[in-house]
Amino acid sequence: DVQLVESGGGLVQPGGSLRLSCEASGFPFTNYWINWVRQAPGKALQWVANIKQDLTEKNYVDSVKGRFTISRDNARMSVSLQMNSLRAEDTAVYYCATWGAHGPFDFWGQGTLVTVSS
Amino acid sequence: QSALTQPRSVSGSPGQSVTISCTGTSSDVGGYDHVSWYQQHPGKAPKFLIYDVNKRPSGVPDRFYGSKSGNTASLTISGLQAEDEADYYCCSYAGRSTFVFGIGTEVTVL
Repeated sequence: DVQLVESGGGLVQPGGSLRLSCEASGFPFTNYWINWVRQAPGKALQWVANIKQDLTEKNYVDSVKGRFTISRDNARMSVSLQMNSLRAEDTAVYYCATWGAHGPFDFWGQGTLVTVSS
Repeated sequence: QSALTQPRSVSGSPGQSVTISCTGTSSDVGGYDHVSWYQQHPGKAPKFLIYDVNKRPSGVPDRFYGSKSGNTASLTISGLQAEDEADYYCCSYAGRSTFVFGIGTEVTVL
């Protein structure tokens, strides 16, 4: 079975940093782009970033450009999201999700909560 | 990268049909046949329902039907069931491997 397991969330002060991880199993990891999608409490889903299978392409939503960095380790079947200069508006559940042959966000993890507050 | 417009809520009785619209621009919904839909129950991760406007992944009932005209996509749920009560999100490819989601629609089964 496809599994995506996020970790690394927690409480951080404004201006601080956090690194999220997404560990994958049960599917051919190198066939998939991996995305991060977030959802602020009571709000809509928002696509945040993604990374191509061969690491040659990374994309970000404008609001996180220059602050967040996505990376992946195909040998470890994992993707990370380094989040710097965090703001209150970055508070959300962060999900990792695949982008496969059948369309974007076909498989999702359970999410990890990031809270930015003093 | 503005969120796609969806009605905040729709409702219907069991057995009825409801349709959720998703309006974007020529830079996203209107520009690509890559609209997808997701169902999210409270406290759960979203579930993949529809991709490429009207294709269903295996295991998704044919009660869920997607369509698109111009800058507006739609999801129709026919034969509404109690378990369909959830939030529904559309998503469109927006070029350069980026995506934009809709604001979400709460479906209530009366």
